[in-house]
Amino acid sequence: ETGVTQSPTHLIKTRGQQVTLRCSSQSGHNTVSWYQQALGQGPQFIFQYYREEENGRGNFPPRFSGLQFPNYSSELNVNALELDDSALYLCASSPPGQASYEQYFGPGTRLTVT
Amino acid sequence: LAKTTQPISMDSYEGQEVNITCSHNNIATNDYITWYQQFPSQGPRFIIQGYKTKVTNEVASLFIPADRKSSTLSLPRVSLSDTAVYYCLVGDPPGLGYSTLTFGKGTMLLVSP
Repeated sequence: ETGVTQSPTHLIKTRGQQVTLRCSSQSGHNTVSWYQQALGQGPQFIFQYYREEENGRGNFPPRFSGLQFPNYSSELNVNALELDDSALYLCASSPPGQASYEQYFGPGTRLTVT
Repeated sequence: LAKTTQPISMDSYEGQEVNITCSHNNIATNDYITWYQQFPSQGPRFIIQGYKTKVTNEVASLFIPADRKSSTLSLPRVSLSDTAVYYCLVGDPPGLGYSTLTFGKGTMLLVSP
């Protein structure tokens, strides 16, 4: 069974640019969540997708957007990058029908904005 | 989600038992307590979840007193590889896979030889 995978591993962008991060959920998992983790902080919830629709959103501006595809993979798009967007971006998936906080995280994408 | 308070850091030695306590005074009736572990540059990993009394799995035990205002994660006989950040989360686990996690800063556990 393949776990959650993310690409790319590392990325360097310039302020004002746009970036797309990708996530493949664990097999059979239909819910995908994205988190931003700044250095020395815990992960912060960005949004969640369930069956290709946004199912919840944290305190992030609209320039953070996402997609979920029929195969449950997902993308996180960030427009007009700011220096404070530099962080580890984590994707997590969870299986259907599970009443639990057990989510399966990928290794993350390290984004550096210069 | 209920606010949680945990120590910023803890030190231990190999082979010792480590207990990390989390305070959650405003825990709601339906809230569960969940612990995650995170190694540097990796995503968090689910350790254990419980509602009351004691839960044990192959990795850890979770002790929850009757008033549920705190909980203790117990790691038996830690090794160097248990050096990580441990997060305590409290919330109502939803059904149908709808779930969001609210992480605090966690507890940095350093295990020395």
